[in-house]
Amino acid sequence: DARVTQTPRHKVTEMGQEVTMRCQPILGHNTVFWYRQTMMQGLELLAYFRNRAPLDDSGMPKDRFSAEMPDATLATLKIQPSEPRDSAVYFCASAKGSYNNQPQHFGDGTRLSIL
Amino acid sequence: AQKVTQAQTEISVVEKEDVTLDCVYETRDTTYYLFWYKQPPSGELVFLIRRNSFDEQNEISGRYSWNFQKSTSSFNFTITASQVVDSAVYFCALSEGAQGGSEKLVFGKGMKLTVNP
Repeated sequence: DARVTQTPRHKVTEMGQEVTMRCQPILGHNTVFWYRQTMMQGLELLAYFRNRAPLDDSGMPKDRFSAEMPDATLATLKIQPSEPRDSAVYFCASAKGSYNNQPQHFGDGTRLSIL
Repeated sequence: AQKVTQAQTEISVVEKEDVTLDCVYETRDTTYYLFWYKQPPSGELVFLIRRNSFDEQNEISGRYSWNFQKSTSSFNFTITASQVVDSAVYFCALSEGAQGGSEKLVFGKGMKLTVNP
């Protein structure tokens, strides 16, 4: 089965460090999402792209977070500088952006801890 | 604005009991999709089902069944004869528009189900 691949699976780093999370969407999927999961807020959308162009990044703190798609097979989410409140599980999901398409498929997540 | 409410936060049952997970949604769109995802203890999110707003037929898949009622804006999920492997957090989600999942999802807070042997 095709899967969304996220790296790293776990990341522990100190406050102030740059963090980069990567996502390889399912081949042929042109829509990529970044979600964050915390105990307090649950699952919330940070940003999403279609055909590598950002469609909505209103959920993302702009001062420290950035999301990009350098090519169709790679999406990145960066935090610089990181803060303890960024500790969460970050999920990437992908979907095919057309009518009657398949639902979003999620990666296994990156569990981020900022000390 | 879109909103998904899962009023139950945690349920504990004994194996073989039936359990229903409630989901109530709010949307101003006439075209939308509803989803259920499962998050087992290992942490991944697993897609279970998708329904569109024009299809109110109930669906059954093995021990799982879903009841969609537009009149009450509800999309409830029932597990029949629960098993220990059903223990997980279950999320209900909504996406507006006609694209069936390639628009952003709004999730409920999730409901933790524990099935005891």
